[in-house]
Amino acid sequence: GQQLNQSPQSMFIQEGEDVSMNCTSSSIFNTWLWYKQDPGEGPVLLIALYKAGELTSNGRLTAQFGITRKDSFLNISASIPSDVGIYFCAGPNNAGNMLTFGGGTRLMVKP
Amino acid sequence: DSGVTQTPKHLITATGQRVTLRCSPRSGDLSVYWYQQSLDQGLQFLIQYYNGEERAKGNILERFSAQQFPDLHSELNLSSLELGDSALYFCASSVGHSNTGELFFGEGSRLTVL
Repeated sequence: GQQLNQSPQSMFIQEGEDVSMNCTSSSIFNTWLWYKQDPGEGPVLLIALYKAGELTSNGRLTAQFGITRKDSFLNISASIPSDVGIYFCAGPNNAGNMLTFGGGTRLMVKP
Repeated sequence: DSGVTQTPKHLITATGQRVTLRCSPRSGDLSVYWYQQSLDQGLQFLIQYYNGEERAKGNILERFSAQQFPDLHSELNLSSLELGDSALYFCASSVGHSNTGELFFGEGSRLTVL
């Protein structure tokens, strides 16, 4: 089946720093999604990307749909303590009835 | 608040037992999805129901089963529980059956098997 590999697995940064994480796949995705899971909560959709090359922002978050359709990137600028959590990339299978998640990037922010 | 309600929030039981997890989707959503989140496995898709019918199946064990009722709430039944079944179980919902990825997740049910 389709697998999504996220890196890094975890990051420990200083408040105010910018963050970059990525997600790669061996197969093509037509949609890339980025979710965030706060501690003790369920994942929440941050950004959805539907077109190769697309660059989309949501506040301090920017995500890009890779040209090859096999990767995506998420950047967070000027991190703050509430950015702490696990960031997942995800993509639907070709039938559109199953959403596959990456293993997640755990972000920790030091005030 | 995503609008998806899951109960119970926490459950502790013994190996060999059976439990039922309950999910109420967002108002108007017809699809319900179940995911399992273990420490070392990330979010694993188990099963999807749309308007009462099974729509897609993922890595769901034979000891697990689910159903969606006419009022659209769903239950996930886990039987002959093993230590490795300890995990967070999430329910998510969406409006349609074709998953564009915009799922709304509940807060999860944390199952501990002792």
